[in-house]
Amino acid sequence: GENVEQHPSTLSVQEGDSAVIKCTYSDSASNYFPWYKQELGKRPQLIIDIRSNVGEKKDQRIAVTLNKTAKHFSLHITETQPEDSAVYFCAADDYKLSFGAGTTVTVRA
Amino acid sequence: DAEITQSPRHKITETGRQVTLACHQTWNHNNMFWYRQDLGHGLRLIHYSYGVQDTNKGEVSDGYSVSRSNTEDLPLTLESAASSQTSVYFCASSGTGNTEAFFGQGTRLTVV
Repeated sequence: GENVEQHPSTLSVQEGDSAVIKCTYSDSASNYFPWYKQELGKRPQLIIDIRSNVGEKKDQRIAVTLNKTAKHFSLHITETQPEDSAVYFCAADDYKLSFGAGTTVTVRA
Repeated sequence: DAEITQSPRHKITETGRQVTLACHQTWNHNNMFWYRQDLGHGLRLIHYSYGVQDTNKGEVSDGYSVSRSNTEDLPLTLESAASSQTSVYFCASSGTGNTEAFFGQGTRLTVV
């Protein structure tokens, strides 16, 4: 089955700086890679996704890149704000979503 | 508006008891999933279904079962609850193909 690894497990950044989270996956059949944000006590919610026929996608301050050859994808958050503090999960979809272990992002004011 | 709901939100049960967690979605999604969330492990897949009468085991399925008798519901049963099954459980649903999965609010289960 699919195995998704996510790094780092925790990330502390100064407000206004950038944050980068990296993930690798094992199953070359995976072709959909969503990112979820989970605030404390809440459910995970999709923030951005990318499909295997696209190398990069951007939505305002959030961008995701995908390297299918190397089987890795990354989330980039620019100009971080306090409301970006949350746990972020990457996932790979080979017809079922397999998640990474999560990254706890703390934005320091 | 379409939604996905879980019940109960919190439950405390005793070791050895059978427990069923409910998941109901009004998205008319074919795909439904159950995950458990534990610190340091992220979201681990327990069982999933691609449609009525279809069920499949995920990576941590031991001690759990599901059934899919209609499109809207995928109840998760713990046959004989164990303390290791203390966790937060999330149900999710998605449409056919690679599309966004929507999560329920979660159920916090404590086995004492």
